[in-house]
Amino acid sequence: DVKVTQSSRYLVKRTGEKVFLECVQDMDHENMFWYRQDPGLGLRLIYFSYDVKMKEKGDIPEGYSVSREKKERFSLILESASTNQTSMYLCASSDSSANTQYFGPGTRLTVL
Amino acid sequence: GENVEQHPSTLSVQEGDSAVIKCTYSDSASNYFPWYKQELGKRPQLIIDIRSNVGEKKDQRIAVTLNKTAKHFSLHITETQPEDSAVYFCAASKGTGANNLFFGTGTRLTVIP
Repeated sequence: DVKVTQSSRYLVKRTGEKVFLECVQDMDHENMFWYRQDPGLGLRLIYFSYDVKMKEKGDIPEGYSVSREKKERFSLILESASTNQTSMYLCASSDSSANTQYFGPGTRLTVL
Repeated sequence: GENVEQHPSTLSVQEGDSAVIKCTYSDSASNYFPWYKQELGKRPQLIIDIRSNVGEKKDQRIAVTLNKTAKHFSLHITETQPEDSAVYFCAASKGTGANNLFFGTGTRLTVIP
């Protein structure tokens, strides 16, 4: 059974803080993704990675960066958090031979 | 890039009735179309998917149809039950590279007992 975990379910930060969101998957998946989910906007892709140390911009990368030093771990970084980054953040992973993405439980980030 | 539109944004049905959610996509190269269900406070989970070489797929009370010519696909839920209440997302993918999924904006389905 695929397991994708995220470091926090809820997080509250202040404007200007550096924020790290961690995602770990245990299925040896090559691909990992970060989305943000906002009401009425669905899931929007921030960044994705198809291999260790590889990263690609998604649809809304501005204000975010990522790191993938190990295959099982994909980190999302907010260099200087802003209030408009208050959102639900979802991580997902998939195998390169299949399309199905498996999601983590999400991190609800509030930036004050 | 791909653009996926989903309608309606909200849908209320009486228990036992059918529910239909429709999506359109823009990129004719897309060949994989999954549907995810997200219950309140939980993660999205795949419930059914279809590939472009098939026109319809069923799994018990849920079915998905695909019209490649018109570039639209639909989710059909029959004999709805209260536990079907959730947000449903459609998505499209070209199945290349990292197999990026392009998601619709979601449909909040409420099944009234």
